[in-house]
Amino acid sequence: DQQVKQNSPSLSVQEGRISILNCDYTNSMFDYFLWYKKYPAEGPTFLISISSIKDKNEDGRFTVFLNKSAKHLSLHIVPSQPGDSAVYFCAARNDYKYIFGTGTRLKVLA
Amino acid sequence: DAGVIQSPRHEVTEMGQEVTLRCKPISGHDYLFWYRQTMMRGLELLIYFNNNVPIDDSGMPEDRFSAKMPNASFSTLKIQPSEPRDSAVYFCASSLGTSGRNEQFFGPGTRLTVL
Repeated sequence: DQQVKQNSPSLSVQEGRISILNCDYTNSMFDYFLWYKKYPAEGPTFLISISSIKDKNEDGRFTVFLNKSAKHLSLHIVPSQPGDSAVYFCAARNDYKYIFGTGTRLKVLA
Repeated sequence: DAGVIQSPRHEVTEMGQEVTLRCKPISGHDYLFWYRQTMMRGLELLIYFNNNVPIDDSGMPEDRFSAKMPNASFSTLKIQPSEPRDSAVYFCASSLGTSGRNEQFFGPGTRLTVL
């Protein structure tokens, strides 16, 4: 039972354009949502998070949107840069238990 | 701060052998997590500890897997006996429960290959 789903395994975007990564979840008890970035041969690194009581959080080029009624969150990267090329994981938390999606590989083309 | 430290970085072993993975969390963090990453299932939570006490081990796949945290600065994940389907990258992560961002800090992972 996949409680957190990232349905797009990969995404290619031109440098300077917007990257939009999507994530769906099924458990309405999740209280926090997070995005992580992962480069090859490294552990995931935290990008941005959002509480379930908010619908938007922004940090520099990264913005996370949460639509609770649709059980959907998205990560927007504007403008996209070649260094953003990585695998992005969304994660959801319920009582300190974190459930991760399967990841989306983003490729930013120069 | 050195971050989360994992050892070894790579482990190749034969089926049936015992494997022990090690983790040193960030000093002061009170939560420690063990994850397994595979292509099919992504990052799966195996077990997590709070103040050295196991809280949820429902993700541990079988009795062949066990984890301990004898003190705040050290944890082990043991597989005995190992099987080829255990081949994956195993990550350890730690976090501070009072952090407003609720972020976890991951180690570099241990790539396990069971032949």
